[in-house]
Parts: sequence; C-alpha cells; structure tokens
Amino acid sequence: NAGVTQTPKFQVLKTGQSMTLQCAQDMNHNSMYWYRQDPGMGLRLIYYSASEGTTDKGEVPNGYNVSRLNKREFSLRLESAAPSQTSVYFCAISRGLAGNQPQHFGDGTRLSIL
Amino acid sequence: GQQVMQIPQYQHVQEGEDFTTYCNSSTTLSNIQWYKQRPGGHPVFLIQLVKSGEVKKQKRLTFQFGEAKKNSSLHITATQTTDVGTYFCAGDSWGKLQFGAGTQVVVTP
Repeated sequence: NAGVTQTPKFQVLKTGQSMTLQCAQDMNHNSMYWYRQDPGMGLRLIYYSASEGTTDKGEVPNGYNVSRLNKREFSLRLESAAPSQTSVYFCAISRGLAGNQPQHFGDGTRLSIL
Repeated sequence: GQQVMQIPQYQHVQEGEDFTTYCNSSTTLSNIQWYKQRPGGHPVFLIQLVKSGEVKKQKRLTFQFGEAKKNSSLHITATQTTDVGTYFCAGDSWGKLQFGAGTQVVVTP
C-alpha cells in the first residue's frame, strides 16, 4: 500500500511510556486523518488535518497529540500511554476535507499497552 | 450529533446465498460511502452514493441510497469466500466521515 505508509506496524508499550506513530503519503493529498479501531466500534476519528499547517480534534482526541510536519507527514503522539489506548491505529488521506472524498488508508499500527 | 448505525453486526452466509446489510443515519446525509476491510487488513473504499434513490452495481454488489438520504443498503448476490470481511458505511458529518460499526461477514463453504 505505497500511497500511505505507517510505522511501526506493531508496538508494545508499558503504561506511562510515550511514543509517536508516523504516517507518510506519496499521493499529494491535502487532508490526513488518524483513526482508532476497536472491536465492535468501527473507526473513530482522533485528529485530522485539513491541510498543511492545520490540525483539529475529532471524536476521541483525549490522550493524543498530533503534528502535521509537512504536506506528506502527519504524526500521532501518545504522551503517557494507558491500557485503554490499546487499539489498531489507522492513518488515512483524502484529496480535500470533504465528506464526499474517498479516503485511502494505511496498513495500520497494532498497539498494545500493558 | 449524527449517528450511523449498521445492521446486522454479524452475518453468517452459506457460499452461493444472497444477503443484505443496512446502514441508517439519524440525520440526512449529503452522501454515503462504503468500505470493505478484509481480516487483518485496512479499510478499502468501495463506492460513494450521492443522489436520492441512487443505485450502483459492482459485479455482485448492489448499493442503494434511500429516497430520504438517511439510509443505505449493500446487497451481495451469490456470496463467495472472497466476500469475507467487514463492510463499513460512512456518512458525511461536517466535512468528515462518521463510520458505522460495520457488518462482519463470514462465509461458509
């Protein structure tokens, strides 16, 4: 899935540790998103960036921070990991911030917090 | 706020049978998108519906948008093992997508 690259693919953390999930795209799309996916709950939006230089909260932003480093890269940081943040994290992109734009997803980061 | 609900949550299908999964919104949608996620994979965009009453087909998959633009359905005919996965609908919510919880499809040979 060369369009959206997420690193790492897997990570195990201890409670209280910090880490940054990385997302990079090569499709020159303006908008980028971070979702978390938990069993039976679909995809929930954590943060998004409509365009380079802007970021906004989504549905479940508590415990996370983001940085839109440039047009290509959008990172998600957990400052003090908690077991409730155990999840699969997906980065997605779209041409523009509009509900009528298809989103392209990365392969995901599977994060476990002990 | 807007809520998007999908039913059923799980669907067990015999290979060759047809089934339908439904998506309902608490508010009128400007459009609706459908995604498929294979086990262990990532969501992949399937289709977008925009017009009231719109029907689109992709091979054995038929997507429909309700007349009131508050519901949608996905009908799969002659189910194959390649149809296994979770199907999500997503509605426009102030420029962002609100995803349903998905219908997990299991196909029995």
